[in-house]
Formats: sequence, structure tokens, C-alpha cells
Amino acid sequence: SQQGEEDPQALSIQEGENATMNCSYKTSINNLQWYRQNSGRGLVHLILIRSNEREKHSGRLRVTLDTSKKSSSLLITASRAADTASYFCATDVQGGSRLTFGEGTQLTVNP
Amino acid sequence: KAGVTQTPRYLIKTRGQQVTLSCSPISGHRSVSWYQQTPGQGLQFLFEYFSETQRNKGNFPGRFSGRQFSNSRSEMNVSTLELGDSALYLCASSLEQGGWVTQYFGPGTRLLVL
Repeated sequence: SQQGEEDPQALSIQEGENATMNCSYKTSINNLQWYRQNSGRGLVHLILIRSNEREKHSGRLRVTLDTSKKSSSLLITASRAADTASYFCATDVQGGSRLTFGEGTQLTVNP
Repeated sequence: KAGVTQTPRYLIKTRGQQVTLSCSPISGHRSVSWYQQTPGQGLQFLFEYFSETQRNKGNFPGRFSGRQFSNSRSEMNVSTLELGDSALYLCASSLEQGGWVTQYFGPGTRLLVL
């Protein structure tokens, strides 16, 4: 079964609004990463947050990590139509390159 | 640097056949991982190769196998194809840095089994 669960499963917003996606996981992790996928294509790495970090920013992205609640959130500010995609969280449990992905959130940004 | 490339991009096979997918990692990356993505099961880890050795393996039957060459290029093979093997197969390469790993994904190979 998937390590992570994401909510909401789908999110529809207007351009300019903020989008928040949440991810929960089950076991202790080394790090948590967020990826974007456009229409069943390859995954694009967005941001990595280590288990000893609580918040990280990258451009319009803000990621938080709460290891006590085993949860993370991804905030996209001032969304654009080009942000329309599926967003996945992935955890690195064992170290190395074995990622366990959540189910993903489908974000639609309406122009 | 060029990104991760996967060939072919699309493939149609029939049940019982076998298929080989290829992945060329980013130059300098020595780790290659494979994932299967389906609507029902989501993204699932298949296996990882590092310096021509399988380092990690997911929970897939023995019909799924892989290998890595000395130039870090990797292939995965699926024998005796089943309808449920229809999926997007994603390859990712990584350069381990400081104990954490960022994986860079290719565009995927979409396999349809009829």
C-alpha cells in the first residue's frame, strides 16, 4: 500500500489564488519530496525537505513538514494556469533511491 | 546536461509477449530506479540499480527484471505480459549527495497490453 495519502484528491481554483495540498505518511522518514506531473508524463522534482527541517521555500512554493504528525503540506501561491498538474509527495524511508509516493492531488487552475 | 531519456515512448504488445524498455540517465548519475504508474495502484517502485548491481527491489513478480550497463544505462524487461502490466513506466536517475537523494525522472514509456 502507499506510504502516503494526500488530500484533497482534486482541487480546482482560480488563477491568482493559493493552493494547499496535504500529505500524510506512516513511518519515520529521511526526507520528503514533492513532485509535479503533467498529464501522465514524467515527474518533475519541486522541492525536498529533510526530516530535521520544518519549512522550506522555493519561489512560489512553500513546504512544511511536521514529523510529530507525520504530515507535510505544499502551498503554491499566486497560482497560474500552467500550475495545472498532479502533485505527489514522496518519502524516502530506507535511504537511497527508493521513494514511496502518495496518491497525488490533481490541481486545476482556471484562467 | 541532457535529461533522462527513455525509449520507446509508446509501445503496444499482446498478452504473453515480452518487452524491453530502455533508460539513459543524466550524465554522471550512477543510480537508476524504475517505477510503474497505473490508475489503480499509483506510483510503485520496481527496482534500483547502482553501479550495475541491483540495490533495491519492490514487490513485483519475477517477470519484471532489469539490468544496468557499465555506462549506467538501464533496461527493464517484462516477460509473459499480462493485461495488468499496462502502465506508464518511469525511470529516474540520481546523484546521491549528502545522504539525501533527488531523483530526476524521464518522460516515461507508456505500455499498452492487449
